[in-house]
Amino acid sequence: AQTVTQSQPEMSVQEAETVTLSCTYDTSESDYYLFWYKQPPSRQMILVIRQEAYKQQNATENRFSVNFQKAAKSFSLKISDSQLGDAAMYFCAYRSAYNQGGKLIFGQGTELSVKP
Amino acid sequence: EAQVTQNPRYLITVTGKKLTVTCSQNMNHEYMSWYRQDPGLGLRQIYYSMNVEVTDKGDVPEGYKVSRKEKRNFPLILESPSPNQTSLYFCASSLMQNTEAFFGQGTRLTVV
Repeated sequence: AQTVTQSQPEMSVQEAETVTLSCTYDTSESDYYLFWYKQPPSRQMILVIRQEAYKQQNATENRFSVNFQKAAKSFSLKISDSQLGDAAMYFCAYRSAYNQGGKLIFGQGTELSVKP
Repeated sequence: EAQVTQNPRYLITVTGKKLTVTCSQNMNHEYMSWYRQDPGLGLRQIYYSMNVEVTDKGDVPEGYKVSRKEKRNFPLILESPSPNQTSLYFCASSLMQNTEAFFGQGTRLTVV
């Protein structure tokens, strides 16, 4: 069975600085998708960034980028120029390319605080 | 506006009193799922559906039922709620199994 691990329950960053959130996963599959979701206090789940395992190039969305290391099964999220609005719970998630139903397997989450 | 709508957003109930949390999507999505979110555990899938009348268990299905009589609706039913079902629940939908999942606003359920 696949698992996703976020080893940092809490992180803190100064406004305008850069922070990296860690995520590792375990799978025997070769084709899958990885995601980072943001959950602000409103509880809404917001997709931040998506990575296809067959793509070597790291995904980027504005200030958000990932470091995808397939051999190491690592998928970290880097937030550059942190803003107060980035404060939220962040979840790393895995989805198999073969799984019926498109199940997302989530990590435990990392609570990010941004200091002004 | 494309969205997934859950109701209610907050619910406090007593042990054993049957309840239903509704979920509706307006994007004509094939796939729908229910997740529960608990501190330190992330989100875990309860049930999913790939189409009308096609449902299957996720990782934590005990104590829950679902139905998919119409493509847009996917209600979650707790026949006899217990305190260990106190949690934050999310409904999600996607067009295909490998496309983006859209989440509802969440339902905070407390069973006393």
